[in-house]
Amino acid sequence: ETGVTQSPTHLIKTRGQQVTLRCSSQSGHNTVSWYQQALGQGPQFIFQYYREEENGRGNFPPRFSGLQFPNYSSELNVNALELDDSALYLCASSRTGVDYGNTIYFGEGSWLTVV
Amino acid sequence: SQQGEEDPQALSIQEGENATMNCSYKTSINNLQWYRQNSGRGLVHLILIRSNEREKHSGRLRVTLDTSKKSSSLLITASRAADTASYFCASYSSASKIIFGSGTRLSIRP
Repeated sequence: ETGVTQSPTHLIKTRGQQVTLRCSSQSGHNTVSWYQQALGQGPQFIFQYYREEENGRGNFPPRFSGLQFPNYSSELNVNALELDDSALYLCASSRTGVDYGNTIYFGEGSWLTVV
Repeated sequence: SQQGEEDPQALSIQEGENATMNCSYKTSINNLQWYRQNSGRGLVHLILIRSNEREKHSGRLRVTLDTSKKSSSLLITASRAADTASYFCASYSSASKIIFGSGTRLSIRP
């Protein structure tokens, strides 16, 4: 149990629709990051938020956007869904930036299927 | 692709044997971490090694880091059936943030 919770656990969307995934961070963690994991692949870094501001982004188009709230919970929004967006979306939280050697704690993920 | 590389992609060993997985990365790092993932679940942090460390131990786990070769290895000793999972390395840097390897699928035969 990592204390990071994600919702929903599974969802199915139609190509072109929009989706919002939610994440509740572990208590005391001010940094949240999101990852996309396609079947059989390693997670790919989407972006990271620190104190409500994006402070790092991977190679994902602008239709992937996010928010971090004052209570450090977070949302991942994906617009104009494409079939290739089907994946497990993982949220992780940490105290300050993970590149400073802080352990990050992952949620169980949200499975998104785009049809 | 953002992916680092891990080998082997899949490894099947007998219970009680040791398992070694390797990881290579491309940029200078602050630290490297290893994670375990059971099928379709979230990732569980195993061990962190900083760029100025060469070896680290945690229980049955031993991690090495060679920054000159930009590579790391994870050794699991005395494997158990419960060790069956996918294992990922993740390299962390201020510039490129976080890059995960493609993973090694480890199967432990009883």
